[in-house]
Amino acid sequence: GESVGLHLPTLSVQEGDNSIINCAYSNSASDYFIWYKQESGKGPQFIIDIRSNMDKRQGQRVTVLLNKTVKHLSLQIAATQPGDSAVYFCAENKGSYGKLTFGQGTILTVHP
Amino acid sequence: ETGVTQSPTHLIKTRGQQVTLRCSSQSGHNTVSWYQQALGQGPQFIFQYYREEENGRGNFPPRFSGLQFPNYSSELNVNALELDDSALYLCASSLGDRNTEAFFGQGTRLTVV
Repeated sequence: GESVGLHLPTLSVQEGDNSIINCAYSNSASDYFIWYKQESGKGPQFIIDIRSNMDKRQGQRVTVLLNKTVKHLSLQIAATQPGDSAVYFCAENKGSYGKLTFGQGTILTVHP
Repeated sequence: ETGVTQSPTHLIKTRGQQVTLRCSSQSGHNTVSWYQQALGQGPQFIFQYYREEENGRGNFPPRFSGLQFPNYSSELNVNALELDDSALYLCASSLGDRNTEAFFGQGTRLTVV
């Protein structure tokens, strides 16, 4: 079946370090991926997206890498800050309508 | 802020009751998708409305229904509430039916007792 999963459910880093959050997906037909950040009591916040015809995309302090060969997605956060502490979800989209399938989530904790 | 607003922010209902949740999409967006997020889990797709028509549905029973209005705002209705319906209900708006750059509202926390 289709699934989007995360390798590490929790990640603790020191302020200023770089963070890498990983995601595996099983459906090779997925053609669009999004990373979301969700803080406690809030809705998911769009961070960055990538289409399957790309390998890498960069935003402000964030980079998403897509490896279609092994069906792996990662989010890199540079110079992690305490405000980056949240749950991070990857989501995939495939098919003719916009169903997003979310992974379990990774809890990122940034220590000052 | 995303421009996607949901109401109410919290509510408590009794098992067997009916509830209506509301979502106003971001300006310029014509698609609204609804998700259910249980505590400690990722959001689960309920259904999507595109140009006032249901355009895809997840694995939820028919007692979950919805509407989209000409201004692209949307409602989620849940009949015969069950305890397991307690969750955060999220709506996401986007332009077009592929959920590209889908932006979420803050959610409605529903508690069924």
